[in-house]
Amino acid sequence: EPEVTQTPSHQVTQMGQEVILRCVPISNHLYFYWYRQILGQKVEFLVSFYNNEISEKSEIFDDQFSVERPDGSNFTLKIRSTKLEDSAMYFCASSGQGLYEQYFGPGTRLTVT
Amino acid sequence: DQQVKQNSPSLSVQEGRISILNCDYTNSMFDYFLWYKKYPAEGPTFLISISSIKDKNEDGRFTVFLNKSAKHLSLHIVPSQPGDSAVYFCAAFDGGTSYGKLTFGQGTILTVHP
Repeated sequence: EPEVTQTPSHQVTQMGQEVILRCVPISNHLYFYWYRQILGQKVEFLVSFYNNEISEKSEIFDDQFSVERPDGSNFTLKIRSTKLEDSAMYFCASSGQGLYEQYFGPGTRLTVT
Repeated sequence: DQQVKQNSPSLSVQEGRISILNCDYTNSMFDYFLWYKKYPAEGPTFLISISSIKDKNEDGRFTVFLNKSAKHLSLHIVPSQPGDSAVYFCAAFDGGTSYGKLTFGQGTILTVHP
């Protein structure tokens, strides 16, 4: 069964450093998303991406964040200058024809020290 | 953001019995609802969904009920199995204004005892 994959599974970085989280969505999906879950809190939407453009972003997704689909298979989330409060699980998701039935990857645990 | 709420942090059920997980929402613009299951160290797994034009959707052991007037949905699992033990999230989508944003509840930890 096709699945969303994410690398790395765990990333530790120092405050102020840049990180890139990588995702390979399901191959025939057209819509891509990033969510995050801070420990003990809800899963929160960050951004949706379609046709090489951001479709929607939340207030969390400020200028420190960017997304890119550098080739036909990868989808990346970059955080330019990490803060302690960026520590969270980051989930990539993708969907096919419908926007709502989204399939999630296993997540990347980001720890900012 | 309290638009989607799961008021029960946990639920414990005996194997073979029914599990009922509840979810309330406040935004009347939500028109699609989903349930996800999540095991530790894994991402949410899509379980079942329902459109706001329906009041019930069934898939095997899983049934979702939607009560639009009460802004309430529930997930029924019958019969419950130990492998169903996980965190269950409800999520909602506003197709009129959103380009993919799912709004999640806090989750309910379901434990099914053998």
